[in-house]
Amino acid sequence: EAQVTQNPRYLITVTGKKLTVTCSQNMNHEYMSWYRQDPGLGLRQIYYSMNVEVTDKGDVPEGYKVSRKEKRNFPLILESPSPNQTSLYFCASSPLLGGGTYEQYFGPGTRLTVT
Amino acid sequence: DAKTTQPPSMDCAEGRAANLPCNHSTISGNEYVYWYRQIHSQGPQYIIHGLKNNETNEMASLIITEDRKSSTLILPHATLRDTAVYYCIVREGRDDKIIFGKGTRLHILP
Repeated sequence: EAQVTQNPRYLITVTGKKLTVTCSQNMNHEYMSWYRQDPGLGLRQIYYSMNVEVTDKGDVPEGYKVSRKEKRNFPLILESPSPNQTSLYFCASSPLLGGGTYEQYFGPGTRLTVT
Repeated sequence: DAKTTQPPSMDCAEGRAANLPCNHSTISGNEYVYWYRQIHSQGPQYIIHGLKNNETNEMASLIITEDRKSSTLILPHATLRDTAVYYCIVREGRDDKIIFGKGTRLHILP
């Protein structure tokens, strides 16, 4: 089954304790992306990656890091989490093929609480 | 800023067609219009996309104006399960950011 998986689904942590949220896709997609969603603000892109070893900042990259060492994985790293990073996070992937078929497949979400 | 503008909310009676508008007046020639929806706090789900021709699939129809500056997503027979936030985005698919905006919250009324 084609899917994007995220782990963990729920996480409660404390300020300053480094954490990683994993994202993996089994569709051989080139493009992967992280979003955060906060009430009243919609989905905002954090980072995206066009392919292995290629990453770029989205709209809200501050406080986050990513890496793309393998095509299927795109972990999101919070080196020193703060309470304002409490949010619902989504990972997504899509192909970069010709013909405009760039539909994104989203993971189930990770609800992060930083106290 | 989002490249698209959508009304914050809309109501539609169950069984009727839901028509969700989207303005994208600065769309470029290579950008496609995509529609997604998000039910509760689930991951957004792809609905449909198009470049300049009208498109239809099993979920919805997409009508794009001739000048491509706006589009309408049509859910032909809305049900309670169509209650969701609907996002319209434009995307070329190459080296660019994706901006979702705040979408339209669609309420289906029984």
